[in-house]
Amino acid sequence: KAGVTQTPRYLIKTRGQQVTLSCSPISGHRSVSWYQQTPGQGLQFLFEYFSETQRNKGNFPGRFSGRQFSNSRSEMNVSTLELGDSALYLCASSLTGSFADTQYFGPGTRLTVL
Amino acid sequence: QKEVEQDPGPLSVPEGAIVSLNCTYSNSAFQYFMWYRQYSRKGPELLMYTYSSGNKEDGRFTAQVDKSSKYISLFIRDSQPSDSATYLCAMSDFSGGYNKLIFGAGTRLAVHP
Repeated sequence: KAGVTQTPRYLIKTRGQQVTLSCSPISGHRSVSWYQQTPGQGLQFLFEYFSETQRNKGNFPGRFSGRQFSNSRSEMNVSTLELGDSALYLCASSLTGSFADTQYFGPGTRLTVL
Repeated sequence: QKEVEQDPGPLSVPEGAIVSLNCTYSNSAFQYFMWYRQYSRKGPELLMYTYSSGNKEDGRFTAQVDKSSKYISLFIRDSQPSDSATYLCAMSDFSGGYNKLIFGAGTRLAVHP
């Protein structure tokens, strides 16, 4: 069974630009969550999608947004990039997103903002 | 103060040692407790999962949860160089909503031959 895939793996952008990251969940998984990982703040929850609906959101500004498609693939977008947005962005998928579900993480997209 | 506190290390031990990794937390509503392992340039992978207080053993790994002290531990017996990684504790509760895990900062572990 293929794992969670994320594209691209590495990305370099400049301040003020916008970026779109993509996540393909494990086949059959309908819940997709996004996390930001930085050395200073660690892993922080961004949002979670299930059946194309955002069900849960972390404490991030509105510049961070996402969506999910009917095939459960998900994208997240960051507009007006800031230097502090440099991070590893991780996507995780699970069957239904319930508390007992195991979340499987992808390898992440490393975003560098110059 | 962060909801979940975890010593970032690094922790360096000789092969074969018993390793103890710990997290403390402040939110008494946390019900699910997990340990993830993250190798360099990889995403976290789930190691252990426990619900509420108690112990759980899986091979060389034992997870302990003490809700009265708001303290969780992961023990690794007979540690191997392949165990060298960052270990992250994570927790969730019902009020946090679906799949919202709160992570510790992660402890970097190095097991040397």
